[in-house]
Amino acid sequence: GQSLEQPSEVTAVEGAIVQINCTYQTSGFYGLSWYQQHDGGAPTFLSYNALDGLEETGRFSSFLSRSDSYGYLLLQELQMKDSASYFCAGDNYGQNFVFGPGTRLSVLP
Amino acid sequence: EAGVVQSPRYKIIEKKQPVAFWCNPISGHNTLYWYRQNLGQGPELLIRYENEEAVDDSQLPKDRFSAERLKGVDSTLKIQPAELGDSAVYLCASSPEGESYEQYFGPGTRLTVT
Repeated sequence: GQSLEQPSEVTAVEGAIVQINCTYQTSGFYGLSWYQQHDGGAPTFLSYNALDGLEETGRFSSFLSRSDSYGYLLLQELQMKDSASYFCAGDNYGQNFVFGPGTRLSVLP
Repeated sequence: EAGVVQSPRYKIIEKKQPVAFWCNPISGHNTLYWYRQNLGQGPELLIRYENEEAVDDSQLPKDRFSAERLKGVDSTLKIQPAELGDSAVYLCASSPEGESYEQYFGPGTRLTVT
């Protein structure tokens, strides 16, 4: 089976750096995606790691280590608008797609 | 480019009534997904289509839920009869073939069953 774990809440101040971790237990796991969802909104795609290592997209970076069954999303230069829920999602070789429970990020002024 | 369109945005029904949700994916996206999201939780996949074929419906409660994507474009998800526990947001998403890691979500339908 496939399941992912994330911290339920993270709080940080504006301008800071925050890391949201995602660990998973799966068989046949392939890649890890990250999505952002504001309250009342739809999830929007942030990044995807198909290979181990770091992927950087502007202020957001994502990391994957398949040997450790672990990944994280790194948000730099936090802004108030980054307050949202963040989901990691596992790609089981395109056979199914499983979302983690989500981490609610609160950015304080 | 138009995004994923869903309707209705909100629906309130009494338990045991039927309800249907409609989704039109992004043009050219072969893969279509229906998810259910409860408050404070991640989206849960109900069914995934590749064109008109349902390739993963293992999480769809088939006793009351049904879905179709007859021409491989828009799709309908139905619940009959609805139960109180079905109250949730129903999200539709689409992705280009082979790129399931990057899904585009519609605004969702918020269903309340009373």
